[in-house]
Parts: sequence; structure tokens; C-alpha cells
Amino acid sequence: GQSLEQPSEVTAVEGAIVQINCTYQTSGFYGLSWYQQHDGGAPTFLSYNALDGLEETGRFSSFLSRSDSYGYLLLQELQMKDSASYFCAVRDPEIKAAGNKLTFGGGTRVLVKP
Amino acid sequence: GAVVSQHPSWVICKSGTSVKIECRSLDFQATTMFWYRQFPKQSLMLMATSNEGSKATYEQGVEKDKFLINHASLTLSTLTVTSAHPEDSSFYICSASLGPVSGNSPLHFGNGTRLTVT
Repeated sequence: GQSLEQPSEVTAVEGAIVQINCTYQTSGFYGLSWYQQHDGGAPTFLSYNALDGLEETGRFSSFLSRSDSYGYLLLQELQMKDSASYFCAVRDPEIKAAGNKLTFGGGTRVLVKP
Repeated sequence: GAVVSQHPSWVICKSGTSVKIECRSLDFQATTMFWYRQFPKQSLMLMATSNEGSKATYEQGVEKDKFLINHASLTLSTLTVTSAHPEDSSFYICSASLGPVSGNSPLHFGNGTRLTVT
């Protein structure tokens, strides 16, 4: 099976930097994804890491270390609209699952205060 | 591109009745769609994989006779919650992608259906 661990909640002020860690256990690895979900809304894709290193997309960056089975999402210059839940996810290793099946971590609720 | 539409966005039904939720891929063909369920402040739990033209694959612990899935075309999958009970009240979300998940092919989610069973 697959499992992912991430902190349940983080609080920070506007303009700050938040790092959300994710450790995973999986029988096969095909990349680590990150999704954002506002309350009552749909999850939306943020980033994806297949190889070690840092991927930067605007204020958000994502890092992966495959040897440590670890990744993180970095939120910089926090804004009020960044208050949401953030999920890391790994792909199912079985090819017959069409390569699209994702298992999600428990989610990290980020609360941004003025 | 890659828009997934889900309908209805919310529904209230009486215990014992059935509810159908539709999931459509608007601008691409999805041979596979995924149905997730999410309870308040919890993660997304995969219920089943919907396969166009064949039977759905259910995750362990999900009753296939209670959660009926039909994927009759490349752009439509439906989830029917049969004989709904209050414990079925949850947020149901469908998703699909253009191909194997990657940075260029993420999962796209519908806006979800909030089901309340009274």
C-alpha cells in the first residue's frame, strides 16, 4: 500500500513563508504531486516532482528527495487567499490503473492571518 | 483545457432514496475517471475507478451495490448512491486526466457534489 504523512495545520501571517512537509511510503514511485483545495471547492493542481530537486512556479515551489522519500511545498509571500488545504499525492504504481490513480495525504490546513 | 464538470453541486435527499451524480469531461475524452469522497476536514479518499465501457473498479471497503458507477461514454461517468443514509452525507468529487499523471497531465477535478441525507 501507499501512505503519506503531512502536518495537519499551519498558521502564518501575510508575507511569511510556509513549508509543508510530506513523507511517503510507496511500493513504486512515479512522482509527487501537490494540490490546493479551498473550503467547499475542488482540488486544483499546483506542482509535480518526478526528479530530485526544486521546482519553482511563482510564489510556490516544490522539492523532492527520492532517497529520503520526502518532499515539501514552499509557499512564499503568503497572501490571505492562500488560506486553504494542501495535499501531497503519489501515483498508483500499477500500470493497469491507467497511471492516473492518486493516493492523497491527509492534507495540511494553512491559515493566513493579517 | 481539461475541464471536468460535475452536477449537481449540492443535493439534499431523504433517507432511503437514490441520488445520481454526473461527471463530464468537457473538452477531452476520459477513458478513466475517478470518484473520491471527502468528509469534513479530511482527505480525499478514492472510492472507485470508472472505466469507459467496462465495470468500475472499487476500492476496498466500498460497496459496489450501494455506489453504482456507469461510464457509458468517453465524456460521462455517473455515480448513483442507492438507498442513501445519513452516514452517506459527504462531498463527492470526480476527476480525470489527459493521460498518466505527470506535471503536464495532472488530475482535473469537478467542483464536487455536497450530498446531505436527512
